[in-house]
Amino acid sequence: RKEVEQDPGPFNVPEGATVAFNCTYSNSASQSFFWYRQDCRKEPKLLMSVYSSGNEDGRFTAQLNRASQYISLLIRDSKLSDSATYLCVVIAGGTSYGKLTFGQGTILTVHP
Amino acid sequence: EPEVTQTPSHQVTQMGQEVILRCVPISNHLYFYWYRQILGQKVEFLVSFYNNEISEKSEIFDDQFSVERPDGSNFTLKIRSTKLEDSAMYFCASLGDRGLGGELFFGEGSRLTVL
Repeated sequence: RKEVEQDPGPFNVPEGATVAFNCTYSNSASQSFFWYRQDCRKEPKLLMSVYSSGNEDGRFTAQLNRASQYISLLIRDSKLSDSATYLCVVIAGGTSYGKLTFGQGTILTVHP
Repeated sequence: EPEVTQTPSHQVTQMGQEVILRCVPISNHLYFYWYRQILGQKVEFLVSFYNNEISEKSEIFDDQFSVERPDGSNFTLKIRSTKLEDSAMYFCASLGDRGLGGELFFGEGSRLTVL
């Protein structure tokens, strides 16, 4: 089983749509969770951390379900500029904080 | 905004040649990392570095790889004898606050092509 598993997509949605991405992780001792964004041939950039209580940042909402080892990202009112690959990222327990384990990424294309 | 800078942006080399990729982390950061991403694949951890020594490394980071912080600003990744499968984008990253919520900052990457 992959350490971090995502639906690779691609997701093609019109502007203004709501889209949701899911991610599962295999290590139950994982301690920190993030969503990163990666534009084509660019570096990953932190989009938001994911907390057990769920958290929201503008149009983006992240949820964590530790019991199911499941993380989600919801994007509301999609913009053209949201087109990118969204990376689910986990820090496993017992490892150094900066050792990130990345999922394969979910490709999102927002069209006019 | 402070940033991590990497050079070269793209390097083409022949198989068996040595390559050094350079990184200048954010100035007050203490923790440094190398990641790589083979085209079309996920980003993978290679190595973490703190206090002038490797703190953790992955299975990928074999004897062909080494890291060094030769002075107060640069952080380098050396591949001694490149193989075709070393072709990838290599990202340097640095971290200032190791507590929960500290953000890892990535450089723009160095694309290595091994022929």
